[in-house]
This record gives sequence, C-alpha cells and structure tokens, in this order.
Amino acid sequence: TQLLEQSPQFLSIQEGENLTVYCNSSSVFSSLQWYRQEPGEGPVLLVTVVTGGEVKKLKRLTFQFGDARKDSSLHITAAQPGDTGLYLCAGANAGGTSYGKLTFGQGTILTVHP
Amino acid sequence: GAVVSQHPSWVICKSGTSVKIECRSLDFQATTMFWYRQFPKQSLMLMATSNEGSKATYEQGVEKDKFLINHASLTLSTLTVTSAHPEDSSFYICSARDFRGVYEQYFGPGTRLTVT
Repeated sequence: TQLLEQSPQFLSIQEGENLTVYCNSSSVFSSLQWYRQEPGEGPVLLVTVVTGGEVKKLKRLTFQFGDARKDSSLHITAAQPGDTGLYLCAGANAGGTSYGKLTFGQGTILTVHP
Repeated sequence: GAVVSQHPSWVICKSGTSVKIECRSLDFQATTMFWYRQFPKQSLMLMATSNEGSKATYEQGVEKDKFLINHASLTLSTLTVTSAHPEDSSFYICSARDFRGVYEQYFGPGTRLTVT
C-alpha cells in the first residue's frame, strides 16, 4: 500500500508570510498532483508534476517534485487571505493494478489571517 | 474545459431510504470515474473505481451492496446509497479521468448527504 505523508496538517499564518507544505512517501509515483479545496466544494487541480526534479510555478505558488519522485513540496510566497483552504497532494501511477488511482495525503488546512 | 458536475449538491433523506447521486463529465469523455467520501477537515477516502461498461472496483471495507455504482456511459456514473443510515451522512465527491490523459483527475463539486 502506498502512503503519502503530508505535513503540516494545520498552518495558521499572517498575510505576507511564506510557507511550505511537504508530501513524502517511501514509494515512487509516476506523477504528483496538488489540489486546493474550499469548504463544501470539490478539490480544484493546481498542478501536475511528472518529471523528477521538476519545478513549476503558478503565480506565488512554487511546486517541486523530488528527484526520486517520492516527495513533493508546495511553497507559497507572500500568502494572502484568499489562499486559505485545504491543500491536498495526491500521487498517481501509470501502470499496474493501481492505474489511474490517486493516493492522497492527509491534507493541510491553511488559514491566512489579514 | 474538464468540468465535472454532480447532482444533487445536497440531499436530506430519512433512514432506510435510498439516494442516487449523479456524476457527469460535461466536456470530455471519462472512461474511468472515482467515488470518494470525505469527513470534515479530512482528506478524501477512495470508495470505488468505476469503469464504463464494467463492474466497479470497490476499496477494502466498502460495502458494494450498500454503495451501488453504475457507469452506463462515458459521461455518467451514479452512486446509489441503499438503505441509508445516519452514519452514511457525509460529503461524497466524484472525479473523472479524461480518456486521453493518464494522471489528472477532475473533481465534481460534491454532494452533501444527511440521513435523519
């Protein structure tokens, strides 16, 4: 069974601060996705990283996939109250019996105070 | 693009009745859809994988006779909660994988089920 350990589970910061969320596993994933979810809504895909060592930027968000494709991080620069939400990492595999299934981390609840 | 809808968005039902939730991919064909359950402030828990034209594959611990899944077309999957009980109250979310893609799943907005 593949597991993704996401940390921290809770993060409460002031507007303008930087933060990093981590996802770690002992298993290799073909890809890793990051989602953001607001209360009462479904998760929204932020990014997919596929190549080991890959770095993707989405405005103030920077996503990195580890060289061994076992870990990933999400860094937010100058957080804003609008960034508040549940952030989820999810790993996927392209083959085998788990094809297409996502393994989710526990999630990080981020609260950015004005 | 990649829009997934769910209906209804919320439902209240009495204990012992059945409830059907629909999941549709609006602008793409989905050979595979997934059904998740989510408790407040927690991550998503995969319940089953639904493949068009074949039987769903359920995760360990999920009662297949209680949670009936039908994937009749490339754009529609349904989840029926049979003989619902208060402990079935939860947020149910579906996702769909574009048949052209490999990794990404696109999620519906979720259905809040409350069983009284």
